Parts: sequence; structure tokens; C-alpha cells
Amino acid sequence: GQNIDQPTEMTATEGAIVQINCTYQTSGFNGLFWYQQHAGEAPTFLSYNVLDGLEEKGRFSSFLSRSKGYSYLLLKELQMKDSASYLCAAYTAAGANNLFFGTGTRLTVIP
Amino acid sequence: DTEVTQTPKHLVMGMTNKKSLKCEQHMGHRAMYWYKQKAKKPPELMFVYSYEKLSINESVPSRFSPECPNSSLLNLHLHALQPEDSALYLCASSQDPPGGSEKLFFGSGTQLSVL
Repeated sequence: GQNIDQPTEMTATEGAIVQINCTYQTSGFNGLFWYQQHAGEAPTFLSYNVLDGLEEKGRFSSFLSRSKGYSYLLLKELQMKDSASYLCAAYTAAGANNLFFGTGTRLTVIP
Repeated sequence: DTEVTQTPKHLVMGMTNKKSLKCEQHMGHRAMYWYKQKAKKPPELMFVYSYEKLSINESVPSRFSPECPNSSLLNLHLHALQPEDSALYLCASSQDPPGGSEKLFFGSGTQLSVL
């Protein structure tokens, strides 16, 4: 089966750096998505990692290690508006439904 | 235009009502999706349309009926729902059908309450 794990909740201080981890066990793994979702709103795309390594986009970076089944999302210079849920989703070649979401990490940024 | 538009944003309905959720995208995407999301849970896939044909139905009860009138529109018809069906219903689209890159663009969702 497919299993995606991430912490349920995290709290961090404005201006700080926070790392949100995601581990996965899937068959036919192709890549890993990160989405941001504010309460009551739609998820918005942040990143998609296919190859091992770190990809940086402004304040947000995403890392993937395929051999370890591990990814993280790194948020720098935290702002209050970064308070949201962060969903990791594994994209696989297995079956008809190819995208498996984790339960999401609710990040709270405090002053 | 990089938006997926959903209407209505909020819907309250009784268990005997019939209503429809609507979704529209003009990005030329070939696949459209319906997801259901309960509070503090990840989105759960309900249906996928590829090239206007239903390609995935994740064992969804028949009180939910999808329809894809054309490549830009996706509807979800609701009838005789139960209170446990109350959730955020998300429409999404992707350039490629499942098996492609599948970067999803989500609409803002319809918050549904069944009384």
C-alpha cells in the first residue's frame, strides 16, 4: 500500500526557519509535491521534486531523497501569513489514482 | 488564465434537496478532478475525467453524480445527501491525465453543509 507520514502540527516564530518533514513508502514512486493550504481555501502548488537534492524558490525550498523515502519543506524568514497546512503528496505510477496526500502539517507562526 | 473557478463557494442543503456544484477551467487542461476534504484531513479523490470521459470513480456513493459537459466544465450533482457528506469539495485540473505530470491546480472549493 501507499503510506505518507508528516507531523500533525508545528509552531514557529516569525522571522525564524522551520523544516517540515515527510516520509513515504510507495510503489512506483515518480516524485513528490508540496502544497500550501490556508484554512477553508484551496491547496496551492509550492514545489515538485523528481530528482534527489534541494530546490530553492525564494523563501521556500524543498528537498528529496529517493533512497531514504524522505522529503522536507524548508521555510525561511517566516511571516505570519505562512500559517497554514502544508500537504506533501507522493506521485506514483501505480494504479489509476496516482497522487497520494499526507494528512498535512498545520503550521502556526507566532510573533 | 491560470484559475479553476468553482461555484457556489458555500452551500447549505437539506437531505431531500438536489443541488449541483460547478467547476470551470480555461487552461486547456485534459483532466479534471473532484476531491472531498473533511476538516484537518487531506483531500480524498472522488472522480477523475480524462478527455471528458470518466476514468476514475473511487467507489463514491451514487448520491454523488459527476458530469463533464465539455473540456472546460465539470459538474457534481448532489441528491439525497447525508449530514456526514458535509465537507469542502474541491475541483482540480491538470495538463495531463493521470500518468502524466499531474501538477494539480485547485479551485477555491465549495463548503457544503448538509442539514
